[in-house]
Amino acid sequence: GAGVSQSPSNKVTEKGKDVELRCDPISGHTALYWYRQSLGQGLEFLIYFQGNSAPDKSGLPSDRFSAERTGGSVSTLTIQRTQQEDSAVYLCASSLTDSQPQHFGDGTRLSIL
Amino acid sequence: RKEVEQDPGPFNVPEGATVAFNCTYSNSASQSFFWYRQDCRKEPKLLMSVYSSGNEDGRFTAQLNRASQYISLLIRDSKLSDSATYLCVVILGANNLFFGTGTRLTVIP
Repeated sequence: GAGVSQSPSNKVTEKGKDVELRCDPISGHTALYWYRQSLGQGLEFLIYFQGNSAPDKSGLPSDRFSAERTGGSVSTLTIQRTQQEDSAVYLCASSLTDSQPQHFGDGTRLSIL
Repeated sequence: RKEVEQDPGPFNVPEGATVAFNCTYSNSASQSFFWYRQDCRKEPKLLMSVYSSGNEDGRFTAQLNRASQYISLLIRDSKLSDSATYLCVVILGANNLFFGTGTRLTVIP
């Protein structure tokens, strides 16, 4: 069946531009997570959505990062005024509930020139 | 075919048992392999890297079988605190990594 889908799969952009990353979770999954992984680093938690509750934004590294989840389904992660240190793989995961295993998308590989 | 596949479980084992998980990968050019542990409602955290020669960290042993394209994680003398989801991660190259869906382990008293 359909898994977590992320788009674009690759994004190359110039420093200072805004980028928007999209995540389509598995249908019916109430929990959605965004992570990023920089080269040689572990997974870094960014933000977590659970149902209609207020998101846990504790992992967002700066106010240039924001995310929303519309209708409890699709989520977008926006990075404004991108910097070179934003280059990383951005991973989205969803789970049926927040106590179930997460299913990860293939990630968006973001490169800031 | 998925790049990385894992048995989602759940694996329910008694305390003190030995349990093993496998993770298969499809691309023979894969370079690096890791096991992550993820606790409920937490982000995945790196448990251990997997080296060609196999490696051990306390009760945990990780092995890589390039010929059959799988990695394994063995947990001896399971503790209640080992209950978590274990994710395998395969890196094909720079910024090109793939995650398994995770195997859920519950250690029962």
